[in-house]
Parts: sequence; C-alpha cells; structure tokens
Amino acid sequence: QVQLVESGGGVVQPGGSLRLSCAASGFSFRGYGIHWVRQAPGKGLEWVAFMRFDGNTEYYVESVKGRFAISRDDSKNTMYLQMNGLRPEDTAVYSCAKDWTKWGNCLEIWGQGTLVSVSS
Amino acid sequence: QSALTQPASVSGSPGQSITISCTGAGSDVGTYNYVSWYQRHPGKAPRLIIYEVNNRPSGVSDRFFGSKSGNTASLTISGLQTEDEAEYYCCSYTGTSTWVFGGGTTLTVL
Repeated sequence: QVQLVESGGGVVQPGGSLRLSCAASGFSFRGYGIHWVRQAPGKGLEWVAFMRFDGNTEYYVESVKGRFAISRDDSKNTMYLQMNGLRPEDTAVYSCAKDWTKWGNCLEIWGQGTLVSVSS
Repeated sequence: QSALTQPASVSGSPGQSITISCTGAGSDVGTYNYVSWYQRHPGKAPRLIIYEVNNRPSGVSDRFFGSKSGNTASLTISGLQTEDEAEYYCCSYTGTSTWVFGGGTTLTVL
C-alpha cells in the first residue's frame, strides 16, 4: 500500500525555521518525483515545490524561492522541506505527494499533511 | 503565477450531470496537457481522479470525464451520487516549470 506520512510541523515565530519530513512506503521511492503542497486556513491548495526522481532538479513557487529547500534521502525513503525565514503567510497544512512519473506530471498519492503555524 | 479560475460552488441532484470549469492562461492550461483533477472529502487527503486532461487512474469511476478547450479545462460528473459531494481542484503544469491549482469548487448533491 502506497503511503506518505508527513511530520515536523509545529508553531514557530516569524523568521524561524522548520524542517518537514515525508516518509514514503509501498513503492520504489527513488523512481518518482515528489511534490510539496500547502493549504492555508480557509484557502485552497497551493503547490509549493517539486523534486525530480534523481534529485538533480527542483522547482519552487515564487513566494518561497530562496527561503525553502526541498531534498530527498533515497536511503531512508524520505523527502524533506527545509523552511527558513518563515512568515505568517506560510501558516498552512503542508502535504507531500508522489508524482505519477519521475519527471513531473500530476500528484498521484497524497499524505495527510502536517500543520505549520507561524506566529509571534 | 495566478491560480486557475474555478467556480466556487456547483450543485446538482442525484442522477444529473454537472460540469466544473477551470480557466487558465496560454502559459498553463492552454499549452500543456498536464491538467489534472482532484477530489477532496472533508478531513481526507486529495484523490487524483483525472490526469493528462482526460485520463482516469485505475479505480476511478467512468462517471468522471475530463476535457479541455483552449485555456479552459472541464470536469464533468455524470449520474451524480451522494458520495460525489466533495471539493474539486484542477491543477496544471506551467511554462515556468511549476504547477498551479485552481481555487477549488464545492460540489453539493441536493
């Protein structure tokens, strides 16, 4: 059974940092790209970042460029999202999602998400 | 990259058909066939129901149909059932190597 489980969320002050993890199981992790998506309270889904299967290419939504970094550890079947310089507008539930392909196509399987709250 | 435009809500009676539109620009929906649709029930993770404009993953009912014309993609659900009541999101790959979602549409089955 394909499963993605996020962790690492919490409450952080503006300007602070958090590292989210996405533990994958039930599929060949190294063969697929992985996305991060967020949903702020009362808002819709917002795509945040994507890393291809080989870890060589990553993409970000403009609002997080230079502050967030996506990475993967294939030996641990885990994806990470390092979030620095957090702002109140980054408050959201962050979910990881397995892509349909290696290169980037659509978000096939989603995790339940982890809540990040940025507040003083 | 601006969010794709979806109607905030649609409704229909059991057995009827409804269509949800998703309007983008020439740099996303209008150019790429990487348009996907997701169904989300409250408290649940989103579920992929359409990929590459009009393809259904295994296990998704053939009552769900995707299409695209110009800068607008559409999701049609035929033979509405009460379990179809959910939020629906479209998503498109864009010319800047990113993805963009629509604002979401709440489907109410009356």
